[in-house]
Amino acid sequence: GQNIDQPTEMTATEGAIVQINCTYQTSGFNGLFWYQQHAGEAPTFLSYNVLDGLEEKGRFSSFLSRSKGYSYLLLKELQMKDSASYLCAVKSCNYQLIWGAGTKLIIKP
Amino acid sequence: KAGVTQTPRYLIKTRGQQVTLSCSPISGHRSVSWYQQTPGQGLQFLFEYFSETQRNKGNFPGRFSGRQFSNSRSEMNVSTLELGDSALYLCASSLESATYEQYFGPGTRLTVT
Repeated sequence: GQNIDQPTEMTATEGAIVQINCTYQTSGFNGLFWYQQHAGEAPTFLSYNVLDGLEEKGRFSSFLSRSKGYSYLLLKELQMKDSASYLCAVKSCNYQLIWGAGTKLIIKP
Repeated sequence: KAGVTQTPRYLIKTRGQQVTLSCSPISGHRSVSWYQQTPGQGLQFLFEYFSETQRNKGNFPGRFSGRQFSNSRSEMNVSTLELGDSALYLCASSLESATYEQYFGPGTRLTVT
């Protein structure tokens, strides 16, 4: 079967760094997305990884290891506005997107 | 450039009724995907339309159907509503395929009583 695992909830402190992990088992792999979703709002695109390694985009970075079926999203210098759910999605062999249940990130002052 | 719009934003229906939701993609986007989102379940893929053709379909019963018009606008229909259909229904558009960066609409919150 196809499966994507993310922690349900994480808590971090303003100004700190947090790493949100995503592990996947899918029928093939053609890329991995991270989306951010604030409560009551639509998801918005954060990053896309197709090759192994780290992609940095400002305070946010995303890492991929295809051999381990693993990705993480790294958020630095956390701000209160980063409180949101973070969704991991994998593009499988038939080019369908398989979504994780999301990780709710709570930022405390 | 205007974003993805969905109508209506909120809807209350009774079991057994049917409902039609509408989605207007970003101008120039030809792919429209529909998702169901419930607490703790993440995004569940319903279907994707491209150039008026259904390109992919998720694991939902036949009560869920959709279509896309020549202007790329899309509608989703749910017949014989069940309590379990209560959810946020999100529409997302992308240039060529749902597997590229998607832009989501604000969603339609459907409550079935």
